[in-house]
Amino acid sequence: GAVVSQHPSRVICKSGTSVKIECRSLDFQATTMFWYRQFPKQSLMLMATSNEGSKATYEQGVEKDKFLINHASLTLSTLTVTSAHPEDSSFYICSASFPEGTLDYGYTFGSGTRLTVV
Amino acid sequence: QKEVEQDPGPLSVPEGAIVSLNCTYSNSAFQYFMWYRQYSRKGPELLMYTYSSGNKEDGRFTAQVDKSSKYISLFIRDSQPSDSATYLCAMRIGNAGNMLTFGGGTRLMVKP
Repeated sequence: GAVVSQHPSRVICKSGTSVKIECRSLDFQATTMFWYRQFPKQSLMLMATSNEGSKATYEQGVEKDKFLINHASLTLSTLTVTSAHPEDSSFYICSASFPEGTLDYGYTFGSGTRLTVV
Repeated sequence: QKEVEQDPGPLSVPEGAIVSLNCTYSNSAFQYFMWYRQYSRKGPELLMYTYSSGNKEDGRFTAQVDKSSKYISLFIRDSQPSDSATYLCAMRIGNAGNMLTFGGGTRLMVKP
């Protein structure tokens, strides 16, 4: 089945630094990537939607200057948390959707990145 | 009121039991319905995908959609300790590329 590879799985960074999270679709071209944030024992909160070659669409309340999303190719999307602060500590997950006509209509998720800002 | 409601649990059952997980939703425009399983600190894994109303079976899993009642279910037969996870329902309007709307997730514990 389709695989989305997400790296790193865990990262600890100092307050004020930036962290980049990568998501790669390994055997298919992801037309759309979604980025989620998940707090402990809570569901996924959609942060932004990105399509290859265009600017990401951010959900209300998500700071686009803080959470930079780049979707430069059909197989790679990145989320950069800029000037991270302890309140940015969370579990970040990417998800890729498939072009119409593919067999798997469910979205495939990456394995997640646990970010801890100290 | 949330668009998709799901009992958070936890739901604790003995090994071998039949598990019933449910979601209700308010938006009749939802057309595609999914169930995901999420283990702790991992990304969600797609279990079942259905379009519109009806049943779908895959091994020990059966998904049901009743659009008239705005109610979806996931049944797990012969539950195993390895089924212990959080189960998320999700739904979508229209074509691939549109966002998913998730329920809050139900935590399931299957005891040996």
